[in-house]
Amino acid sequence: QKEVEQDPGPLSVPEGAIVSLNCTYSNSAFQYFMWYRQYSRKGPELLMYTYSSGNKEDGRFTAQVDKSSKYISLFIRDSQPSDSATYLCAMRKNTGFQKLVFGTGTRLLVSP
Amino acid sequence: DTAVSQTPKYLVTQMGNDKSIKCEQNLGHDTMYWYKQDSKKFLKIMFSYNNKELIINETVPNRFSPKSPDKAHLNLHINSLELGDSAVYFCASSPIAGLQSDTQYFGPGTRLTVL
Repeated sequence: QKEVEQDPGPLSVPEGAIVSLNCTYSNSAFQYFMWYRQYSRKGPELLMYTYSSGNKEDGRFTAQVDKSSKYISLFIRDSQPSDSATYLCAMRKNTGFQKLVFGTGTRLLVSP
Repeated sequence: DTAVSQTPKYLVTQMGNDKSIKCEQNLGHDTMYWYKQDSKKFLKIMFSYNNKELIINETVPNRFSPKSPDKAHLNLHINSLELGDSAVYFCASSPIAGLQSDTQYFGPGTRLTVL
């Protein structure tokens, strides 16, 4: 079983829909949680970053962390065709030189 | 201005060959990484260097040898290439590993195909 699980999709939604992307994880030592967006044939780029539990909002994007359930979410409001990409969750432990552990990514398709 | 650059972008080679991928970052970061992304998009760290010192070395065959001549460069040399090495290899950098945010900036990737 992978440390971080993510539904690969694809998730197809119409333009304007609210999108919910999720990851579950098994290691309770993870403290930092990130969402990366990866367009086809490009490198991942950081979208959102949260520490421990709680919500964080940035424009149309909201990241949520529920450490008690070991569950993180990324919500995209008013989705646009330009949001079509693969979304990777990533997480790391608190101390020292800790590696980022990625989910397998969810492919999102937003149709006009 | 490219923040993290990799060369080459595409690499097609025969089994058994030796090849190198180069990475450079102009962000002034101390830490650099190599990741492998397989055909299912799973991104897994291979190595990390902090200020030219190896700090993360995942379970990677010793055919893979990273080298950091200075903190702005991290190269990856692969000996005796195998079919299973076909993947996209990403270089990344971050300001200082172990800091709270540790935002990693990724290069565009090198698509390696072993025939």
